Amino acid sequence: KAGVTQTPRYLIKTRGQQVTLSCSPISGHRSVSWYQQTPGQGLQFLFEYFSETQRNKGNFPGRFSGRQFSNSRSEMNVSTLELGDSALYLCASSLVPGQSYEQYFGPGTRLTVT
Amino acid sequence: AQRVTQPEKLLSVFKGAPVELKCNYSYSGSPELFWYVQYSRQRLQLLLRHISRESIKGFTADLNKGETSFHLKKPFAQEEDSAMYYCALRGGTSYGKLTFGQGTILTVHP
Repeated sequence: KAGVTQTPRYLIKTRGQQVTLSCSPISGHRSVSWYQQTPGQGLQFLFEYFSETQRNKGNFPGRFSGRQFSNSRSEMNVSTLELGDSALYLCASSLVPGQSYEQYFGPGTRLTVT
Repeated sequence: AQRVTQPEKLLSVFKGAPVELKCNYSYSGSPELFWYVQYSRQRLQLLLRHISRESIKGFTADLNKGETSFHLKKPFAQEEDSAMYYCALRGGTSYGKLTFGQGTILTVHP
């Protein structure tokens, strides 16, 4: 079974631009969570989607948004990029959200904002 | 609010020595605790979770609600255990939200 895939793997953007990252969960998984990983803040939860609905949102500004499609694929968007948005963005999928269901992580998208 | 603290950023031991990676948490309800591991150039993966009470790769972790701790232990460290280890917490109604600690880099010397 193929793992979680994320595209693109690397991205370089300029301040003020916007970016869209994509995540394809493991086949059959319906829950997708997004995390931001930085050396200073570590791994921080962005949001979680299940059945095309956002179930949870982390403490990030409104510039960060996401969505989930009917095939469970998810995208996250960051508008008006800032230097501090440079990070590794990880996506994780699970069968359904909640206890007993392991989250499987993708390789991440490395975003660099210049 | 929920918080996970891993007090050691770096931990070095020699092969065959016992290792303990500390994790303390703050959560008002009944949390679910996990340990995730990230080996060099690999993706983050689940090592173990407290509800399973299992031993993976020789590692064990016991949830101590009194001390709000979930320390990861292995009696005899191996070089292949060198990695970044994250402790994570999921609250009762947090669904797919995990709160991670800052991580501990474990280095096992030959």
